[in-house]
Amino acid sequence: SQTIHQWPATLVQPVGSPLSLECTVEGTSNPNLYWYRQAAGRGLQLLFYSVGIGQISSEVPQNLSASRPQDRQFILSSKKLLLSDSGFYLCAQNGQGNSPLHFGNGTRLTVT
Amino acid sequence: GEDVEQSLFLSVREGDSSVINCTYTDSSSTYLYWYKQEPGAGLQLLTYIFSNMDMKQDQRLTVLLNKKDKHLSLRIADTQTGDSAIYFCAETHTGTASKLTFGTGTRLQVTL
Repeated sequence: SQTIHQWPATLVQPVGSPLSLECTVEGTSNPNLYWYRQAAGRGLQLLFYSVGIGQISSEVPQNLSASRPQDRQFILSSKKLLLSDSGFYLCAQNGQGNSPLHFGNGTRLTVT
Repeated sequence: GEDVEQSLFLSVREGDSSVINCTYTDSSSTYLYWYKQEPGAGLQLLTYIFSNMDMKQDQRLTVLLNKKDKHLSLRIADTQTGDSAIYFCAETHTGTASKLTFGTGTRLQVTL
């Protein structure tokens, strides 16, 4: 079965510092990968998705970027964090087609 | 654009049935999902239904889909305290990747 690893689980970073969140998946090959953000008390917003190595689609203009250097690795980055980047970041994956999304346990980011 | 709406809060007594409702606007939705999120955790897929179905039952969970009214519901029979969580509905349609649109979530509180 598929397993999604996200780290770190929690992170506190000052404004203006860089960010790197990592997501790796096991038990599947060539998955679609996704980064979602959940702001406090709100639903989930799709930030990026990737259908293959080096292929990144951005859903919303923002201060963040994503990369997929390997088939089962998805990285969310920022050069300079803003206060508004605080939130709960969730990585998700599914196979090809419309198979259901499966989520990691998330990273809670607080920008101070 | 797509929009998915849910009521924010539902309180039920242990042992009663819970019904969580969701409406969506995208008539081309092909899959509709229910996810459960416990505090501080990622999203757990509970069940999903294809748009050509009107009902799906899985143990204590029953999903009803009224495609004409674009209304989806999740019924939890014999609700337990462990069912306390936020429940998200989500929809997607056929495409390269399953870009889910999520509702804002319904917080279910189970009281003794």
